[in-house]
Amino acid sequence: EPEVTQTPSHQVTQMGQEVILRCVPISNHLYFYWYRQILGQKVEFLVSFYNNEISEKSEIFDDQFSVERPDGSNFTLKIRSTKLEDSAMYFCASSEGLQETQYFGPGTRLLVL
Amino acid sequence: GQSLEQPSEVTAVEGAIVQINCTYQTSGFYGLSWYQQHDGGAPTFLSYNALDGLEETGRFSSFLSRSDSYGYLLLQELQMKDSASYFCAVREGGYQKVTFGIGTKLQVIP
Repeated sequence: EPEVTQTPSHQVTQMGQEVILRCVPISNHLYFYWYRQILGQKVEFLVSFYNNEISEKSEIFDDQFSVERPDGSNFTLKIRSTKLEDSAMYFCASSEGLQETQYFGPGTRLLVL
Repeated sequence: GQSLEQPSEVTAVEGAIVQINCTYQTSGFYGLSWYQQHDGGAPTFLSYNALDGLEETGRFSSFLSRSDSYGYLLLQELQMKDSASYFCAVREGGYQKVTFGIGTKLQVIP
């Protein structure tokens, strides 16, 4: 069964450093998403991406964040200058269509020191 | 905006049935989904209701009443592996953002 994959599984970085989280969505899916989950809290929407552009973003997704689809398979989330409060699990998800089920990857646990 | 309410914790006995309720407030409801998340794992899609009524998938069923802005997830024949957090989630029509509830931590005990 096809699945969303994410790398790395864990990332430790120093405050102020840039990180890039990578995702490979399910191959025939057209909509891609990033969510984050701070430890012990609910999953929060960050951004959705369709047709090579951001289609929707939350108030969390400020200028420090950016997304890109650099090639036909990868989907990345970049945090330019990490803050302590960026420490969280980051989930990538994809869906076949706009109103279709979103399938989540295993997540990247980011720890900012 | 959207808001969802669900109980924070539920405990049930192995082999029993448990119901996890979810009420929501949204300006343009499109559908109610349920996700399961084990500690340290990713949310896994369980079920989706766009219309009123009951959807059954094996041991799991989900119900929706749009007039009451209410839904529930029903887990039957509970197994120890069902111990996890269960999130209800809604999406407004025309939007891709999915809003999750706080999650209900289910503990299945022998």
